Amino acid sequence: GESVGLHLPTLSVQEGDNSIINCAYSNSASDYFIWYKQESGKGPQFIIDIRSNMDKRQGQRVTVLLNKTVKHLSLQIAATQPGDSAVYFCPYTSGTYKYIFGTGTRLKVLA
Amino acid sequence: EPEVTQTPSHQVTQMGQEVILRCVPISNHLYFYWYRQILGQKVEFLVSFYNNEISEKSEIFDDQFSVERPDGSNFTLKIRSTKLEDSAMYFCASSEDLQKFFGPGTRLTVL
Repeated sequence: GESVGLHLPTLSVQEGDNSIINCAYSNSASDYFIWYKQESGKGPQFIIDIRSNMDKRQGQRVTVLLNKTVKHLSLQIAATQPGDSAVYFCPYTSGTYKYIFGTGTRLKVLA
Repeated sequence: EPEVTQTPSHQVTQMGQEVILRCVPISNHLYFYWYRQILGQKVEFLVSFYNNEISEKSEIFDDQFSVERPDGSNFTLKIRSTKLEDSAMYFCASSEDLQKFFGPGTRLTVL
């Protein structure tokens, strides 16, 4: 079914540390996964995506890991910066037509 | 880098009035969407639009809502008779495939 879940509502990390934000999904047929961040008062901003035929994809300071065995998705942010403070989402992708957003994980970067 | 734009950034209206929220999707995209986010809540799917017709709509998108692509560049959301509970951020998004690009949003305040 359609389910997006995040393990923690809030994650606090020290500036410069690495952050790991987790997401679980329930639909084994999902073949596309995506991460967005949303800063206060702004629209969701694309971070990185991955298809189910991959288990890892890297971007600039970010890495997405996909574990299809346990239906788990994670976003790793290296050397977390104050500008990374935001709410992070891994919406369920239903075909091309819609995303189902969960409540997200709020990342707080501590100075 | 191309981006989705939305106008106005903030719209204040009286209950019962009609409002039109405007969006300019990315020019080569074929799929268009509206989402909304009530303050402090999840981003919710409203409607998707492709090939000049609605592809899918949520339960929120009732008869008070309509969408239109009046020309080759604009995509609009009309709320015929606004209610207090329509107060929210409304995000337009567009895509050419699974990755959706979101606009900055229009904050609608219904008094």
